[in-house]
Amino acid sequence: NAGVTQTPKFQVLKTGQSMTLQCAQDMNHEYMSWYRQDPGMGLRLIHYSVGAGITDQGEVPNGYNVSRSTTEDFPLRLLSAAPSQTSVYFCASSSAQAGLVGYTFGSGTRLTVV
Amino acid sequence: AQSVTQLGSHVSVSEGALVLLRCNYSSSVPPYLFWYVQYPNQGLQLLLKYTSAATLVKGINGFEAEFKKSETSFHLTKPSAHMSDAAEYFCAVSDVGSKIIFGSGTRLSIRP
Repeated sequence: NAGVTQTPKFQVLKTGQSMTLQCAQDMNHEYMSWYRQDPGMGLRLIHYSVGAGITDQGEVPNGYNVSRSTTEDFPLRLLSAAPSQTSVYFCASSSAQAGLVGYTFGSGTRLTVV
Repeated sequence: AQSVTQLGSHVSVSEGALVLLRCNYSSSVPPYLFWYVQYPNQGLQLLLKYTSAATLVKGINGFEAEFKKSETSFHLTKPSAHMSDAAEYFCAVSDVGSKIIFGSGTRLSIRP
């Protein structure tokens, strides 16, 4: 089992560029989320999904878009990158209501916007 | 809205000493609580979770946490620290829905 796979592991973008962070899980999990991790601020929820075709906003959704066309994939799109989006991004998934079982996390994508 | 507060961004203990990492939560409904550990340059790994069964929860690597409703706390402890315990630890809260809210983290250092 690969678990939760995030690509790329590292990325440098110029301000204003767009890109998609990929997240795929092979555990048939319904619940998936994106978090960003910044020093001293812990993990903050960007967007989450409770199943294919269903997404919702988290704590810090501005500047990010998501879609969930399949159970396996949950890509995160940055439409116009800004230096404030420099961060480490984690994707996570859960087999049931995340509040009961907790999330399985990917290894992260380190993004730098210059 | 739910939230967690982790007291102390950095805790340093000697090898063999007691580890105590503090977490207080705020929730309008009975919470589900978690502790995660993050080793350098890695993702987060679930240490333990409280889901309203036993108030004393045992996790991996010898860690345990006690849910105290009267104190709205869920502190993480380990009787004897090992060098391999050096990592960042996150407390998190959920209300059964699909959102888990994390604290700001506590970095644990172990002195030889």
